[in-house]
Amino acid sequence: GAGVSQSPSNKVTEKGKDVELRCDPISGHTALYWYRQRLGQGLEFLIYFQGNSAPDKSGLPSDRFSAERTGESVSTLTIQRTQQEDSAVYLCASSLVSQGPYEQYFGPGTRLTVT
Amino acid sequence: AQSVTQLGSHVSVSEGALVLLRCNYSSSVPPYLFWYVQYPNQGLQLLLKYTSAATLVKGINGFEAEFKKSETSFHLTKPSAHMSDAAEYFCAVSDLGDTGNQFYFGTGTSLTVIP
Repeated sequence: GAGVSQSPSNKVTEKGKDVELRCDPISGHTALYWYRQRLGQGLEFLIYFQGNSAPDKSGLPSDRFSAERTGESVSTLTIQRTQQEDSAVYLCASSLVSQGPYEQYFGPGTRLTVT
Repeated sequence: AQSVTQLGSHVSVSEGALVLLRCNYSSSVPPYLFWYVQYPNQGLQLLLKYTSAATLVKGINGFEAEFKKSETSFHLTKPSAHMSDAAEYFCAVSDLGDTGNQFYFGTGTSLTVIP
């Protein structure tokens, strides 16, 4: 079946503009995660959705970052008034459920460059 | 909260030599443990996972990892390195929380294979 997909694959934007990144999880996966990966660094947790529960937003770095998910489908990560330090690869992952021995399946990422 | 420590941000081995990538976790309760690999310009791919069955877990591409509760470790090994193993490797933990969980990733180890 189809894996996790993300769009766009690359995004170049000017400082101060808003951007929207999209993630399509694997069908039937109730858990969805967003991570940020700066060049040469590890994964930084941003936000996680589990079914219809309130999302865990504890990793969002500032109020310029927000994310939505409709039911158990597509999610969008929005960054308002982008800054150069927002440049990174944004990875989305989905999991069957958030608890237990269920691995995350990652999308290919969106490379965001803020000029 | 969990934490994951990967000792050695960069590891270099000769082709054909043993690969050993170290991962230690902090938990009083055995968690679920995962190793992911990230090839250049790609998303993360699951190598193997520990789910409290066998302590020695075999994964793809000849990798294996051994869960050692007494050492709170889950080191990744491969008997003979291949050039294609050059990549970034991430250890991850998910705990057994009742209200959902987030994965905790290590900072990654970059593996270089020298011909």
